[in-house]
Amino acid sequence: QKEVEQNSGPLSVPEGAIASLNCTYSDRGSQSFFWYRQYSGKSPELIMFIYSNGDKEDGRFTAQLNKASQYVSLLIRDSQPSDSATYLCAVTPSGTYKYIFGTGTRLKVLA
Amino acid sequence: KAGVTQTPRYLIKTRGQQVTLSCSPISGHRSVSWYQQTPGQGLQFLFEYFSETQRNKGNFPGRFSGRQFSNSRSEMNVSTLELGDSALYLCASSVKGGGHQETQYFGPGTRLLVL
Repeated sequence: QKEVEQNSGPLSVPEGAIASLNCTYSDRGSQSFFWYRQYSGKSPELIMFIYSNGDKEDGRFTAQLNKASQYVSLLIRDSQPSDSATYLCAVTPSGTYKYIFGTGTRLKVLA
Repeated sequence: KAGVTQTPRYLIKTRGQQVTLSCSPISGHRSVSWYQQTPGQGLQFLFEYFSETQRNKGNFPGRFSGRQFSNSRSEMNVSTLELGDSALYLCASSVKGGGHQETQYFGPGTRLLVL
């Protein structure tokens, strides 16, 4: 089992819709969770981080964490074509100094 | 604050050569991680340095090495380059490394092409 799993996509949504991206992780003791956005040919840029169970909102983005079920999700409201990118989920497992990345979900927002 | 910087941004080498890539972390960040990214493999962790010590290492051959200096700047070296080493090499920094509430920021990357 991979440590961090994401559906590779592509996930296609129409402009203005809500895009829902999911990530599951295997280490139950994982402490911190991050979402990065990566445009083609560019480096990942941090969108959000979440540490506690529940929801965290930042503008059009909402991160949701459920430690009992070991998943973290990212919702993008009012999706725009400029949101089209690959979204990477990252987790810091317990007892390490590492960040474990999923392979990313490619999002396509259709105008 | 200035972000993570990497030099050079682009590099073309031939098989058998060696290459050194440089990374300057965000001021105050002492942890530097290196990743290799290829289209089919996603982000692959190479190694992580903190206070000049390698704390973590990924599953890469010994041709890949790194070091960190006292000012937290880091270099990675790839010897005897192979065609498969063509990739985007990313450096990322954080204050203390992965752990509770530690956020990692990426540099722009060095794109290496091996011919």
